[in-house]
Amino acid sequence: DADVTQTPRNRITKTGKRIMLECSQTKGHDRMYWYRQDPGLGLQLIYYSFDVKDINKGEISDGYSVSRQAQAKFSLSLESAIPNQTALYFCATSESGGQETQYFGPGTRLLVL
Amino acid sequence: QKEVEQNSGPLSVPEGAIASLNCTYSDRGSQSFFWYRQYSGKSPELIMFIYSNGDKEDGRFTAQLNKASQYVSLLIRDSQPSDSATYLCAVKGRNSGYALNFGKGTSLLVTP
Repeated sequence: DADVTQTPRNRITKTGKRIMLECSQTKGHDRMYWYRQDPGLGLQLIYYSFDVKDINKGEISDGYSVSRQAQAKFSLSLESAIPNQTALYFCATSESGGQETQYFGPGTRLLVL
Repeated sequence: QKEVEQNSGPLSVPEGAIASLNCTYSDRGSQSFFWYRQYSGKSPELIMFIYSNGDKEDGRFTAQLNKASQYVSLLIRDSQPSDSATYLCAVKGRNSGYALNFGKGTSLLVTP
């Protein structure tokens, strides 16, 4: 079984809809991250969480919110989806105290019409 | 100025040659440096990391770090067509709570 899972893997939604992307991990890591990736723009950090009670905005947090329900679960919400949020979304995890190597989930491909 | 810079490529090398990928960073307090490989539509996967000046070798891959010049590079020896992918440089710095800053990636094409 994969260590970092994301659901759904693909999602099509309409402008103005609220959607949630979920991430779960079995690696036992305390740190979790959400990124989006657009063609030619690389990975952009949306939010990150260093533990259940420590959530921080990344470089592009506007229009997004997150919830760290447990150490193993980190959800990303789009309160009112807009077309320019169409992208590939990745969740990642890392363990504090070491080199902070990040391990990525398989990604969620989101299309906002 | 983007904190981590990479040439977007594409970098084209013949099979069996050495591919050289470069990355520069702006935060002098950066501590650790990572190279990820990403195939189209897939998630990034770690190749290796380096945190001390000098070279670090792992199989066909060698990472090189020069903190004084603020650059890190990845050499791929005996390049194979299966190495064709986008290579992402990532830096652990001070400016985002020690989360990683990623470059935009360099596209590598290894031709048979």
